[in-house]
Amino acid sequence: QQQVKQSPQSLIVQKGGISIINCAYENTAFDYFPWYQQFPGKGPALLIAIRPDVSEKKEGRFTISFNKSAKQFSLHIMDSQPGDSATYFCAASSGSRLTFGEGTQLTVNP
Amino acid sequence: DTEVTQTPKHLVMGMTNKKSLKCEQHMGHRAMYWYKQKAKKPPELMFVYSYEKLSINESVPSRFSPECPNSSLLNLHLHALQPEDSALYLCASSRLQVGGIRETQYFGPGTRLLVL
Repeated sequence: QQQVKQSPQSLIVQKGGISIINCAYENTAFDYFPWYQQFPGKGPALLIAIRPDVSEKKEGRFTISFNKSAKQFSLHIMDSQPGDSATYFCAASSGSRLTFGEGTQLTVNP
Repeated sequence: DTEVTQTPKHLVMGMTNKKSLKCEQHMGHRAMYWYKQKAKKPPELMFVYSYEKLSINESVPSRFSPECPNSSLLNLHLHALQPEDSALYLCASSRLQVGGIRETQYFGPGTRLLVL
């Protein structure tokens, strides 16, 4: 019930391409969905977040798409750059705990 | 400013040592968290403090002892750790809304702990 499933586990994209990472959840009590970006040896940094009353949120090259009925949400990175190479975690919160997906290791080739 | 600071950056300790990890934030956040992260895995919640009181302990072994001396500081005291406790230890903080709902968690850079 508390699980967040994230795919793919790893992703290789060419510079300038679109990176897409998908997450699915089961607990309908989740009401906040952040994405974190983590570089090796660093802590996770908040990238973008969405609440379920919104179907899409865009910040620069990063867009979250949210499908409440399907209980799915995804991160799109437009014009992917080598500097975007990192591990991305989706997460979901029901107020008291943050449940993370297993992570996606993104590599953007120059 | 959304900065959470953690010291030390790296720590090597023997199984009989006692050490402490420190975390500090000046964002006025009243919820603070300790997480443990193993390589290529997501962070795992260990403890949550709300208004300087321990509100969640995720069945963490007693060799880990958290402390929240004030609203800006969070410590994690370590004693008699095992090699499998080697990991990145992350601190995070967030606002606390009415009803105890927590907002975005901001993470520190972590302390890389190696237990020999």
